Amino acid sequence: SQQGEEDPQALSIQEGENATMNCSYKTSINNLQWYRQNSGRGLVHLILIRSNEREKHSGRLRVTLDTSKKSSSLLITASRAADTASYFCATTSGGGADGLTFGKGTHLIIQP
Amino acid sequence: GAVVSQHPSRVICKSGTSVKIECRSLDFQATTMFWYRQFPKQSLMLMATSNEGSKATYEQGVEKDKFLINHASLTLSTLTVTSAHPEDSSFYICSARDRDRGIPEAFFGQGTRLTVV
Repeated sequence: SQQGEEDPQALSIQEGENATMNCSYKTSINNLQWYRQNSGRGLVHLILIRSNEREKHSGRLRVTLDTSKKSSSLLITASRAADTASYFCATTSGGGADGLTFGKGTHLIIQP
Repeated sequence: GAVVSQHPSRVICKSGTSVKIECRSLDFQATTMFWYRQFPKQSLMLMATSNEGSKATYEQGVEKDKFLINHASLTLSTLTVTSAHPEDSSFYICSARDRDRGIPEAFFGQGTRLTVV
């Protein structure tokens, strides 16, 4: 079932600007992950943040997690045209045998 | 990173026929693989969890007789859409976790675009 809600559903910005996407979820989680999907392709794992972490960085990506508000944000700094894609948050609440519950996604368009 | 190969990437079939989609982990062993379905401009919905050597676990609302899953080895899971109908047209994606690394990161196949005519 879909428990994540991404906000905004679509985002268009100029190259070089920062892009922020938000995700909310409903149940308790072990970790939250962000994935990128280029049109008609599979998903690429971007970053994972565990439930006991509040912030994590990876290159131009910054993820925050607020378990009290059941929300997460993904910040992409200095955006590039190649960042154009759909971004999904996904959660797991169990162990390694659990599938992912995905949010609805944010479609990001970077204008050159 | 680990590689998951999904085949075919695109298939068109006639109503009433069956289609098999393969999902292979190329450089790691996957005790568990997952099958998702994605409609246009929508998110991924987990269909079933495929366990090596045992029966798959289906999500509520997914017909197990229609979507047959076989996970015969640690590197291969197959999804067969039986007696396909136009409403089965969708994007199907598999994923797998690296058992030996024991991390929650999932590696995804490239997806299969199924069109039933």
